[in-house]
Amino acid sequence: TQLLEQSPQFLSIQEGENLTVYCNSSSVFSSLQWYRQEPGEGPVLLVTVVTGGEVKKLKRLTFQFGDARKDSSLHITAAQPGDTGLYLCAGWVTDKLIFGTGTRLQVFP
Amino acid sequence: SAVISQKPSRDICQRGTSLTIQCQVDSQVTMMFWYRQQPGQSLTLIATANQGSEATYESGFVIDKFPISRPNLTFSTLTVSNMSPEDSSIYLCSVGSGPNSPLHFGNGTRLTVT
Repeated sequence: TQLLEQSPQFLSIQEGENLTVYCNSSSVFSSLQWYRQEPGEGPVLLVTVVTGGEVKKLKRLTFQFGDARKDSSLHITAAQPGDTGLYLCAGWVTDKLIFGTGTRLQVFP
Repeated sequence: SAVISQKPSRDICQRGTSLTIQCQVDSQVTMMFWYRQQPGQSLTLIATANQGSEATYESGFVIDKFPISRPNLTFSTLTVSNMSPEDSSIYLCSVGSGPNSPLHFGNGTRLTVT
């Protein structure tokens, strides 16, 4: 059983559209992280959310941590081709980082 | 943030052989991990590389198949032993400063087993 489930699994959209990616768990996390991975590279941290209900913005990306600290969402406004990649949520379980199932985003010009 | 060099970046190997992947960090780090990423999938933790002692393996991964060394705080190796086509994956080294910290990743080793 996957600890962190992401939806959707795949997303293919046109430039300028908005989208939301969800990360859900039945477990409570002290924090959740979001990473983006591009082909041929390792994942790179986008943000860490720590407080239940917290909202963080990174340019066109908005991250939210659920009030119960079991879920998170990533919203992208006016997607651009440069946003294409694999988006991963991740949470620490004791002393190891566990990744979600991933959302592969393709943004077409 | 730490700079991580992983070698080789890719390799094509015959079944039954072994490959050792190296991970070199430009600074001392507390935590080192090895992940596997199968084609089109997310990352799965193989093991935590412990400095000077045996690695801690996740369920489904065993030392005989994936021996790991970590002789110091800047270097680790992962060996994929007796390879089969099912071992074809990207193997990623990552480092962190402690629980709840960000992880930094190397660019991975793309392994193809024929």
